[in-house]
Amino acid sequence: DVKVTQSSRYLVKRTGEKVFLECVQDMDHENMFWYRQDPGLGLRLIYFSYDVKMKEKGDIPEGYSVSREKKERFSLILESASTNQTSMYLCASSGPTGTEAFFGQGTRLTVV
Amino acid sequence: QKEVEQNSGPLSVPEGAIASLNCTYSDRGSQSFFWYRQYSGKSPELIMSIYSNGDKEDGRFTAQLNKASQYVSLLIRDSQPSDSATYLCAVIVSGGSNYKLTFGKGTLLTVNP
Repeated sequence: DVKVTQSSRYLVKRTGEKVFLECVQDMDHENMFWYRQDPGLGLRLIYFSYDVKMKEKGDIPEGYSVSREKKERFSLILESASTNQTSMYLCASSGPTGTEAFFGQGTRLTVV
Repeated sequence: QKEVEQNSGPLSVPEGAIASLNCTYSDRGSQSFFWYRQYSGKSPELIMSIYSNGDKEDGRFTAQLNKASQYVSLLIRDSQPSDSATYLCAVIVSGGSNYKLTFGKGTLLTVNP
């Protein structure tokens, strides 16, 4: 079975802090994705990566950056957390040529 | 126009009925189509994938794809209360070497005993 693991289930951070959300997959997948999910807005793509050190902006990249130094790990960085970044963050990975994506358990981030 | 749109719902059906969920997408280059189920407080789980025109059946679930109409649907036969969840339509658009996976906002389905 594919396993996608996010480093934390719940996080509480203060405004202005630098926040790292980590995601690791064990299936040697090329593609990895970061989404945020908010009530009424659905899943919105923040960034995605199709290879080590390669990244593409999604639909809402402002205020975020990413890092993919190893194939199995994709990190989402909030450079200076703000209250409007309070959300559920979901990581996913998929194999080559647009095959199925599998999700981690999610990180509920609260910025106070 | 949003890339992936779903009938907004919520949708309520009686137990044993057929639930029909619909999705349209805007990019004709879309090549892979998925349906995910998400229970409250949980992450999405894949229930169906479809890549070519026509129907694909898996147990009580049938996915239908019509690329000419840019339309994909999910039918759930003999609906059960355990099917009550939010259903998410997802589409992959290829941009050369990368594959962008975009979701609709989801349709909340309630199956009443």
